Amino acid sequence: AQSVSQHNHHVILSEAASLELGCNYSYGGTVNLFWYVQYPGQHLQLLLKYFSGDPLVKGIKGFEAEFIKSKFSFNLRKPSVQWSDTAEYFCAVNAQQGGKLIFGQGTELSVKP
Amino acid sequence: NAGVMQNPRHLVRRRGQEARLRCSPMKGHSHVYWYRQLPEEGLKFMVYLQKENIIDESGMPKERFSAEFPKEGPSILRIQQVVRGDSAAYFCASSPPKSGGSYNEQFFGPGTRLTVL
Repeated sequence: AQSVSQHNHHVILSEAASLELGCNYSYGGTVNLFWYVQYPGQHLQLLLKYFSGDPLVKGIKGFEAEFIKSKFSFNLRKPSVQWSDTAEYFCAVNAQQGGKLIFGQGTELSVKP
Repeated sequence: NAGVMQNPRHLVRRRGQEARLRCSPMKGHSHVYWYRQLPEEGLKFMVYLQKENIIDESGMPKERFSAEFPKEGPSILRIQQVVRGDSAAYFCASSPPKSGGSYNEQFFGPGTRLTVL
């Protein structure tokens, strides 16, 4: 069965620290990959996505992610976090065109001012 | 352009009652997805619907749960005879009609938080 694993459940950083959130998936075929963010009290919003092409994708608010096919990974990075990045981050995979998303369990990021 | 709307935002039911959760997709979107988030877990896919059709219900519990997306009106997720284990946040997402086989982004609603007493 397809699955997505996020390595960190809760990450605490100080402002200006660098961020890397791990995401691994299990599926042998072609996938579309996503990172969603949920700010406190708000909807899930798409942060960035990978369909094909350049494995390094850039999203909103300075976030980027790198798809490493050999490692089945799609880690999220940001060079310098801000207090406003405090949120829950979800990695997701779509393994069939137009179908369901498989989500990881989420990583709660707390950024200390 | 309003986003995906869900109501109610909070719903409290006693064991054995029915819960009805509504989802109005974004304008022009004909695909609706329902996901459930149990405490301390990620979102789990439940069902994928198009207007008047269930496309994929592989994540739906076999009993007590049903979903519909009629030609007119919102999509409804219905839970009969609720139990405490149904307490969760239920999220709806919508996407536009597929074009050329490409994947379309899913836009999420704010969720309905169901509490079963």
